[in-house]
Amino acid sequence: AQKVTQAQTEISVVEKEDVTLDCVYETRDTTYYLFWYKQPPSGELVFLIRRNSFDEQNEISGRYSWNFQKSTSSFNFTITASQVVDSAVYFCALYSGGGADGLTFGKGTHLIIQP
Amino acid sequence: EAQVTQNPRYLITVTGKKLTVTCSQNMNHEYMSWYRQDPGLGLRQIYYSMNVEVTDKGDVPEGYKVSRKEKRNFPLILESPSPNQTSLYFCASSPRDTHSNQPQHFGDGTRLSIL
Repeated sequence: AQKVTQAQTEISVVEKEDVTLDCVYETRDTTYYLFWYKQPPSGELVFLIRRNSFDEQNEISGRYSWNFQKSTSSFNFTITASQVVDSAVYFCALYSGGGADGLTFGKGTHLIIQP
Repeated sequence: EAQVTQNPRYLITVTGKKLTVTCSQNMNHEYMSWYRQDPGLGLRQIYYSMNVEVTDKGDVPEGYKVSRKEKRNFPLILESPSPNQTSLYFCASSPRDTHSNQPQHFGDGTRLSIL
């Protein structure tokens, strides 16, 4: 069975601080895909990143960076120099390579950036 | 513009009154699915469809029906809605080939309140 754990229910930081959102996953598949989605207060789901199980390179996109470590089954997300606009709920999700099922989501981390 | 369109965006209705939430995508995607989002539970898959006339249950299918008569449309049907189906619903689509670079595309969500 697949599982995604986001242990941090809510994080609150002051603007300009760095913040890391944790994501730990479980799967028996050797081929799988990991995602991060952002859900701002308006409610839509915004795709941030997709990573496949064969690519462990870390990725940086502006103030966002992702650390994928298969050894610890983790796919953590760091926001550097956070801004108020980063306030949202962030979901980590897992998709197996078989394609029969959908995304397995974590419960989400509510990130609050205080001015 | 590539998009997944859900209607209605908001609906308040009463127990037992049949309702349909429509979902349409313009990307010629084979795979479509429905999720519900509840506080503290993240998103959970209700039903999915691998292609026309092919549908299957997700993690929480009870009380829901779907159909896939055309590739672009994947309506979610609540034959006899109950208050525990009050939730935020998302439709998503993606190419069947999960090795592509396309993530799942999500609609903007439908907020259902069943009184």
